[in-house]
Amino acid sequence: DAGVTQSPTHLIKTRGQQVTLRCSPKSGHDTVSWYQQALGQGPQFIFQYYEEEERQRGNFPDRFSGHQFPNYSSELNVNALLLGDSALYLCASSFLTANYGYTFGSGTRLTVV
Amino acid sequence: SQQGEEDPQALSIQEGENATMNCSYKTSINNLQWYRQNSGRGLVHLILIRSNEREKHSGRLRVTLDTSKKSSSLLITASRAADTASYFCATTSGTYKYIFGTGTRLKVLA
Repeated sequence: DAGVTQSPTHLIKTRGQQVTLRCSPKSGHDTVSWYQQALGQGPQFIFQYYEEEERQRGNFPDRFSGHQFPNYSSELNVNALLLGDSALYLCASSFLTANYGYTFGSGTRLTVV
Repeated sequence: SQQGEEDPQALSIQEGENATMNCSYKTSINNLQWYRQNSGRGLVHLILIRSNEREKHSGRLRVTLDTSKKSSSLLITASRAADTASYFCATTSGTYKYIFGTGTRLKVLA
């Protein structure tokens, strides 16, 4: 049973560019949440997708957007990259509301230069 | 902003000793979860405790919750080198998002 799959594992982008990160949730899960984790910090909630719609959003600018597909997989897009966007981006899947816990992917390490 | 704050920020112990880390949070919660993260990779769910529970056990893990003090503790008994990781608490107050603390970095020396 595959867990949460994220791609790519590592990515280097230049300031001002755009990036798309991808996530396939664990089998049986229908909800995908995205988190940003800066070095030495805890994960910060970006947004959550359920039934192909953004259900809740954290305190992130509109440069951060997402999408969920009918097969529950999800994408995170970041436009106009800033140096401060360098972080580990984590995808977490769950069934409905995560009241039984998230299953996390291994993350995408984004470096903006 | 961080809801939970773990304490201590870092902890170093000998193999076989017990490790205790604490989490404090600010608002009322529905449940609290503990996660482990190895070397900056994905987080692994350890245990969930609901707001109406006071204590839960899972293998070598023991979690307590004191809602009056808005705090939780995670005890790892008979620690092993493989327990070396960062540990985070995460809380939800009924919305869909979980808010993570700043983490405790545990180092278990062989």
